[in-house]
Amino acid sequence: EIVLTQSPGTLSLSPGERATLSCRASQTVSRSYLAWYQQKPGQAPRLLIYGTASRATGIPARFSGSGSGTDFTLTISSLEPEDFAVYYCQQYGSSSLTFGGGTKVEI
Amino acid sequence: QVHLVESGGGVVQPGGSLRLSCEASGFTFSNFGFHWVRQAPGKGLEWVSYIQYDGKNKFYADSVRGRFTVSRDSSKNTVYLQMDSLRAEETAMYYCAREKLPYDAFDVWGQGTMVSVSS
Repeated sequence: EIVLTQSPGTLSLSPGERATLSCRASQTVSRSYLAWYQQKPGQAPRLLIYGTASRATGIPARFSGSGSGTDFTLTISSLEPEDFAVYYCQQYGSSSLTFGGGTKVEI
Repeated sequence: QVHLVESGGGVVQPGGSLRLSCEASGFTFSNFGFHWVRQAPGKGLEWVSYIQYDGKNKFYADSVRGRFTVSRDSSKNTVYLQMDSLRAEETAMYYCAREKLPYDAFDVWGQGTMVSVSS
């Protein structure tokens, strides 16, 4: 099973600032099958990024993904008030899918 | 509109069983695979199970293999998760999610159904 470690656990920033979230895998993620999800309190997760760097439908351009192999990054170029949430990375390149532990982006 | 609606959650004693349902609407059900994902209160996401679009392939997390069974009924546009021998630590919100393409990320999620395992 591929273990995903997200850092930092909590990121304290202000609106307008840049957020950089890290996701490190215990082994190479096959075919860069790495996704990012956003979850707000009381809501289901929402797909932001798939295939490491492709934005899902309706996701603003301020969200971008990058990386390869075992190191992946989600960047929010300029935080909007609605971006304060928990973010999870996920690998789906194996038959045993896994999620990272999450990064909370707080004001 | 594309929707997934879970149901069947509730309170069950340790060792008991529960069957969750996930009803899909707004798209062609038979073209998509589905996953179950759970989230314990205040914790992160845990993948549980997957069923391929045609039902031929099914995968399970090690923690539930042998106790949970995923299935689907195309006549009802519904995916099921039969959960047996439930444990207290499996208390969680259970979400159904659709894969974007075969073996792809999850692009549509339901609102979840809560399962509480307690005596």
